[in-house]
Amino acid sequence: DIQMTQSPSSLSASVGDRVTITCRASQSISSFLNWYQHKPGKAPKLLIYAASSLQSGVPSRFSGSGSGTDFSLTISSLQPEDFATYYCQQSYITPYTFGQGTKLEIK
Amino acid sequence: QVQLQESGPGLVKPSQTLSLTCTVSGGSISSGSYYWSWIRQPAGKGLEWIGRIYTSGSTNYNPSLKSRVTISVDTSKNQFSLKLSSVTAADTAVYYCANEVTSPEYYFDYWGQGTLVTVSS
Repeated sequence: DIQMTQSPSSLSASVGDRVTITCRASQSISSFLNWYQHKPGKAPKLLIYAASSLQSGVPSRFSGSGSGTDFSLTISSLQPEDFATYYCQQSYITPYTFGQGTKLEIK
Repeated sequence: QVQLQESGPGLVKPSQTLSLTCTVSGGSISSGSYYWSWIRQPAGKGLEWIGRIYTSGSTNYNPSLKSRVTISVDTSKNQFSLKLSSVTAADTAVYYCANEVTSPEYYFDYWGQGTLVTVSS
């Protein structure tokens, strides 16, 4: 299985901050990398697909980059509704695998 | 907009079979190039992909669970289902259903809110 490693596992930040979460794959996955936002008790929400494509309806402050094994999700200016847990996921090959998550908390 | 809703028992005894159903609304389960997937998350742990089914009935399963998993689809009811046999406490988790967009990109577009299944006697 392809292992996905996210960092950091948790992050404290303030409204208006720029934050970056990284995700590393144990082997090359080209651009088959997706990012999700998850809030407790709610359905996970797709933010970015194919490494850098913004899902329809997702604010432009979210962006993704990377290819091969190294990827990142950046939030340019944190808003109160952005505090959540973020997961990367590889869709290069089954079994699909997820990162362990990054919990973004209010400082 | 497509919506997914999981349903099924919240408590299953060890060694028994866990059975969940995902009802799809706002669109036909037969339309488009979608896989229909199950994903779970044990408390305090990460997300684990269980498997998926295409509307043709073809399936893919996580090898770690393959011997115990069956995913099926009922197009007449716009539902797909998960059966996990011989459950143990390690199968206690929140179970999500999701649809997977395919070709050329592959990603989970819509998810259900999840349902907690506890394995306990």
